[in-house]
Amino acid sequence: NAGVTQTPKFQVLKTGQSMTLQCAQDMNHEYMSWYRQDPGMGLRLIHYSVGAGITDQGEVPNGYNVSRSTTEDFPLRLLSAAPSQTSVYFCASSYSTVSYEQYFGPGTRLTVT
Amino acid sequence: DAKTTQPPSMDCAEGRAANLPCNHSTISGNEYVYWYRQIHSQGPQYIIHGLKNNETNEMASLIITEDRKSSTLILPHATLRDTAVYYCIVRVAIIQGAQKLVFGQGTRLTINP
Repeated sequence: NAGVTQTPKFQVLKTGQSMTLQCAQDMNHEYMSWYRQDPGMGLRLIHYSVGAGITDQGEVPNGYNVSRSTTEDFPLRLLSAAPSQTSVYFCASSYSTVSYEQYFGPGTRLTVT
Repeated sequence: DAKTTQPPSMDCAEGRAANLPCNHSTISGNEYVYWYRQIHSQGPQYIIHGLKNNETNEMASLIITEDRKSSTLILPHATLRDTAVYYCIVRVAIIQGAQKLVFGQGTRLTINP
């Protein structure tokens, strides 16, 4: 198993551009989520999904969209990038919503200029 | 949400036991305590979790006080590879039964040779 994969590893955007951060898992996990990590802020939950076709907002959803058309994929879309979205983004998955262990991807480092 | 308080940094000598404290005085009766760690630039990694009783696995031990207001993660024989940021987390149940992990700022543990 590849586990949780994320692409790209690094990305630089200009303010106002849009892009999609990809996340995929091959463990048949129902629950997937996106976090952002900023210095001194820990990890904050952006959006999550409890299964294909079901998504919901986390703590900091503004400026981001998600969809879950398949169990495997959970892309995160930045609609109009802003410098405040400069961060490291982590995708995570777990077997179910009550699983004890979440598996995290390697992260995407995004810089918005 | 129940919040956690951890010391920002700790040092430990290689081969010794590392004891990482965490306060979670507002924890509710059905909320679990989780520990994750993040090695430089990688995604967080699950270590252990517990509700009331002490727990042990191949990575660490978790000691939870009887009143559940604090806990200690113990790495019995720390190695240089254990240098990381350690997060004490209280899982919070949200709508549709989906879990939310609230990451604080963690403890930066440095293992010294």
